[in-house]
Amino acid sequence: DAGVTQSPTHLIKTRGQQVTLRCSPISGHKSVSWYQQVLGQGPQFIFQYYEKEERGRGNFPDRFSARQFPNYSSELNVNALLLGDSALYLCASKGQGASGSSDTQYFGPGTRLTVL
Amino acid sequence: SQQGEEDPQALSIQEGENATMNCSYKTSINNLQWYRQNSGRGLVHLILIRSNEREKHSGRLRVTLDTSKKSSSLLITASRAADTASYFCATGLSGSARQLTFGSGTQLTVLP
Repeated sequence: DAGVTQSPTHLIKTRGQQVTLRCSPISGHKSVSWYQQVLGQGPQFIFQYYEKEERGRGNFPDRFSARQFPNYSSELNVNALLLGDSALYLCASKGQGASGSSDTQYFGPGTRLTVL
Repeated sequence: SQQGEEDPQALSIQEGENATMNCSYKTSINNLQWYRQNSGRGLVHLILIRSNEREKHSGRLRVTLDTSKKSSSLLITASRAADTASYFCATGLSGSARQLTFGSGTQLTVLP
Protein backbone atom coordinates (compact mmCIF):
# COMPACT_ATOMS: atom_id res chain seq x y z
CA ASP A 1 0.00 0.00 0.00
CA ALA A 2 1.14 3.53 -0.71
CA GLY A 3 1.79 5.60 2.36
CA VAL A 4 0.62 9.09 3.13
CA THR A 5 1.61 11.47 0.35
CA GLN A 6 2.04 15.23 0.55
CA SER A 7 2.63 17.94 -2.00
CA PRO A 8 4.58 19.98 -2.67
CA THR A 9 7.81 18.81 -1.02
CA HIS A 10 9.21 22.28 -0.65
CA LEU A 11 7.68 25.72 -0.95
CA ILE A 12 9.05 29.24 -0.68
CA LYS A 13 6.68 32.14 -0.10
CA THR A 14 6.96 35.75 1.00
CA ARG A 15 5.26 37.40 3.93
CA GLY A 16 1.60 38.15 3.39
CA GLN A 17 1.10 35.49 0.74
CA GLN A 18 -1.22 32.52 1.00
CA VAL A 19 -0.29 28.85 0.69
CA THR A 20 -2.16 25.58 0.14
CA LEU A 21 -0.67 22.25 1.14
CA ARG A 22 -2.11 18.91 0.06
CA CYS A 23 -2.29 15.48 1.61
CA SER A 24 -3.56 12.09 0.48
CA PRO A 25 -4.09 9.54 3.26
CA ILE A 26 -3.40 5.85 3.17
CA SER A 27 -6.08 4.08 1.17
CA GLY A 28 -9.02 3.29 3.43
CA HIS A 29 -8.08 5.81 6.10
CA LYS A 30 -10.79 8.37 6.78
CA SER A 31 -9.01 10.50 9.37
CA VAL A 32 -6.44 13.12 8.45
CA SER A 33 -4.52 15.35 10.86
CA TRP A 34 -2.16 18.24 10.26
CA TYR A 35 0.86 19.12 12.37
CA GLN A 36 3.39 21.95 12.30
CA GLN A 37 6.99 21.22 13.23
CA VAL A 38 9.27 24.18 13.80
CA LEU A 39 12.98 23.43 13.61
CA GLY A 40 14.28 21.86 16.78
CA GLN A 41 10.85 21.12 18.26
CA GLY A 42 8.31 18.33 18.19
CA PRO A 43 5.26 18.51 15.94
CA GLN A 44 2.29 20.55 17.15
CA PHE A 45 -1.28 19.62 16.32
CA ILE A 46 -3.18 21.96 14.00
CA PHE A 47 -6.33 20.16 12.78
CA GLN A 48 -7.97 16.77 12.60
CA TYR A 49 -10.66 15.82 10.09
CA TYR A 50 -12.77 12.71 9.94
CA GLU A 51 -15.38 12.00 7.29
CA LYS A 52 -15.02 15.59 6.05
CA GLU A 53 -15.83 17.11 9.43
CA GLU A 54 -13.44 18.98 11.70
CA ARG A 55 -12.94 16.90 14.84
CA GLY A 56 -10.16 18.82 16.52
CA ARG A 57 -8.34 22.13 16.33
CA GLY A 58 -5.08 23.09 17.99
CA ASN A 59 -4.00 26.46 19.28
CA PHE A 60 -3.43 28.14 15.93
CA PRO A 61 -4.81 31.45 14.61
CA ASP A 62 -7.70 31.71 12.18
CA ARG A 63 -5.21 32.27 9.37
CA PHE A 64 -4.95 28.48 9.38
CA SER A 65 -7.81 26.53 7.83
CA ALA A 66 -8.30 23.09 6.36
CA ARG A 67 -10.81 20.90 4.65
CA GLN A 68 -11.27 17.27 3.70
CA PHE A 69 -12.68 16.05 0.43
CA PRO A 70 -15.03 13.11 -0.34
CA ASN A 71 -12.00 10.97 -1.28
CA TYR A 72 -10.54 11.76 2.20
CA SER A 73 -7.67 13.83 0.85
CA SER A 74 -7.12 17.12 2.62
CA GLU A 75 -5.81 20.64 2.13
CA LEU A 76 -4.27 22.97 4.66
CA ASN A 77 -4.46 26.68 3.89
CA VAL A 78 -2.48 29.40 5.57
CA ASN A 79 -3.27 33.03 4.83
CA ALA A 80 -1.25 36.18 5.44
CA LEU A 81 1.97 34.25 5.95
CA LEU A 82 4.36 35.32 8.68
CA LEU A 83 8.05 34.54 9.03
CA GLY A 84 7.15 32.34 12.00
CA ASP A 85 5.05 30.08 9.78
CA SER A 86 8.26 28.66 8.33
CA ALA A 87 8.16 25.02 9.34
CA LEU A 88 7.73 21.43 8.24
CA TYR A 89 4.02 20.71 7.82
CA LEU A 90 3.15 17.09 8.42
CA CYS A 91 0.02 15.23 7.50
CA ALA A 92 -1.00 12.03 9.25
CA SER A 93 -3.71 9.53 8.51
CA LYS A 94 -5.34 7.09 10.82
CA GLY A 95 -7.71 4.23 10.33
CA GLN A 96 -8.37 0.58 10.88
CA GLY A 97 -5.84 -0.59 8.35
CA ALA A 98 -4.10 -3.89 7.83
CA SER A 99 -0.90 -2.65 9.42
CA GLY A 100 -1.91 -1.19 12.74
CA SER A 101 -4.43 -0.30 15.38
CA SER A 102 -6.93 2.47 14.90
CA ASP A 103 -4.91 4.67 17.26
CA THR A 104 -1.73 4.60 15.19
CA GLN A 105 -1.12 7.68 13.08
CA TYR A 106 0.98 7.33 9.93
CA PHE A 107 2.82 10.41 8.79
CA GLY A 108 3.69 11.66 5.35
CA PRO A 109 7.11 13.06 4.38
CA GLY A 110 5.99 16.63 5.04
CA THR A 111 6.05 19.92 3.15
CA ARG A 112 8.90 22.26 4.01
CA LEU A 113 7.55 25.83 3.94
CA THR A 114 9.94 28.74 3.99
CA VAL A 115 8.55 32.24 4.41
CA LEU A 116 10.89 35.07 3.40
CA SER B 1 2.29 23.37 24.29
CA GLN B 2 4.40 20.24 24.68
CA GLN B 3 2.83 17.50 26.78
CA GLY B 4 5.83 15.27 26.94
CA GLU B 5 9.47 15.89 27.52
CA GLU B 6 12.18 13.54 26.34
CA ASP B 7 15.36 12.99 28.24
CA PRO B 8 18.15 13.28 27.33
CA GLN B 9 17.89 15.93 24.62
CA ALA B 10 20.89 14.38 22.89
CA LEU B 11 22.58 10.99 23.18
CA SER B 12 25.73 9.74 21.49
CA ILE B 13 26.75 6.07 21.68
CA GLN B 14 28.93 3.54 19.89
CA GLU B 15 27.49 1.02 17.47
CA GLY B 16 26.45 -2.13 19.32
CA GLU B 17 25.60 -0.34 22.54
CA ASN B 18 22.10 0.04 23.91
CA ALA B 19 20.32 3.40 23.82
CA THR B 20 17.71 4.40 26.37
CA MET B 21 15.47 7.41 26.00
CA ASN B 22 12.90 8.58 28.51
CA CYS B 23 9.66 10.48 28.15
CA SER B 24 7.60 12.18 30.84
CA TYR B 25 4.11 13.55 30.40
CA LYS B 26 1.66 15.54 32.47
CA THR B 27 -1.91 14.29 32.09
CA SER B 28 -3.79 11.00 31.90
CA ILE B 29 -3.32 9.25 28.60
CA ASN B 30 -5.02 6.65 26.47
CA ASN B 31 -1.86 5.55 24.70
CA LEU B 32 1.75 6.57 24.11
CA GLN B 33 3.54 6.23 20.79
CA TRP B 34 7.18 6.50 19.81
CA TYR B 35 8.26 7.87 16.46
CA ARG B 36 11.60 8.25 14.65
CA GLN B 37 12.50 11.15 12.38
CA ASN B 38 15.50 11.27 10.08
CA SER B 39 16.95 14.70 9.24
CA GLY B 40 13.71 16.71 9.31
CA ARG B 41 11.78 14.28 7.18
CA GLY B 42 8.50 12.54 7.97
CA LEU B 43 7.88 10.63 11.17
CA VAL B 44 8.10 6.84 11.20
CA HIS B 45 5.88 5.06 13.69
CA LEU B 46 7.84 2.66 15.91
CA ILE B 47 5.54 1.34 18.60
CA LEU B 48 2.31 2.07 20.46
CA ILE B 49 1.68 1.14 24.07
CA ARG B 50 -1.70 1.50 25.71
CA SER B 51 -2.30 2.88 29.18
CA ASN B 52 -3.17 -0.60 30.51
CA GLU B 53 0.09 -2.09 29.23
CA ARG B 54 3.40 -1.97 31.04
CA GLU B 55 5.87 -3.25 28.48
CA LYS B 56 5.98 -3.93 24.78
CA HIS B 57 8.60 -5.30 22.40
CA SER B 58 9.15 -4.92 18.69
CA GLY B 59 12.37 -6.31 17.24
CA ARG B 60 15.24 -4.44 18.89
CA LEU B 61 12.85 -2.02 20.56
CA ARG B 62 11.50 -2.28 24.08
CA VAL B 63 9.05 0.25 25.48
CA THR B 64 7.91 0.52 29.06
CA LEU B 65 5.12 2.62 30.48
CA ASP B 66 4.63 3.64 34.10
CA THR B 67 1.34 5.52 34.38
CA SER B 68 1.83 6.16 38.10
CA LYS B 69 5.01 8.11 37.31
CA LYS B 70 3.65 9.40 33.99
CA SER B 71 6.75 8.21 32.20
CA SER B 72 7.86 5.91 29.42
CA SER B 73 11.18 4.65 28.18
CA LEU B 74 12.37 3.45 24.79
CA LEU B 75 15.28 1.02 24.69
CA ILE B 76 17.06 0.28 21.43
CA THR B 77 19.33 -2.73 21.78
CA ALA B 78 22.46 -3.42 19.73
CA SER B 79 22.28 -0.02 18.07
CA ARG B 80 23.37 0.56 14.47
CA ALA B 81 24.56 3.65 12.65
CA ALA B 82 21.23 3.61 10.80
CA ASP B 83 19.45 4.21 14.12
CA THR B 84 20.84 7.76 14.12
CA ALA B 85 17.75 9.98 14.17
CA SER B 86 15.49 12.05 16.41
CA TYR B 87 13.09 10.08 18.57
CA PHE B 88 9.80 11.51 19.80
CA CYS B 89 7.21 10.29 22.22
CA ALA B 90 3.61 11.28 21.56
CA THR B 91 0.66 10.89 23.84
CA GLY B 92 -2.94 10.26 22.93
CA LEU B 93 -5.02 11.80 25.67
CA SER B 94 -8.02 10.22 27.34
CA GLY B 95 -11.32 11.59 26.12
CA SER B 96 -9.80 13.89 23.55
CA ALA B 97 -9.99 13.99 19.79
CA ARG B 98 -7.48 11.86 17.99
CA GLN B 99 -4.66 14.35 18.22
CA LEU B 100 -1.21 13.41 19.41
CA THR B 101 0.83 15.65 21.67
CA PHE B 102 4.55 15.38 21.08
CA GLY B 103 7.58 15.96 23.22
CA SER B 104 10.63 17.86 22.06
CA GLY B 105 12.59 14.76 21.08
CA THR B 106 15.91 13.05 21.73
CA GLN B 107 18.62 13.29 19.09
CA LEU B 108 20.39 9.93 18.98
CA THR B 109 23.74 9.61 17.26
CA VAL B 110 25.21 6.14 16.81
CA LEU B 111 28.89 6.23 15.96
CA PRO B 112 30.30 3.48 13.73
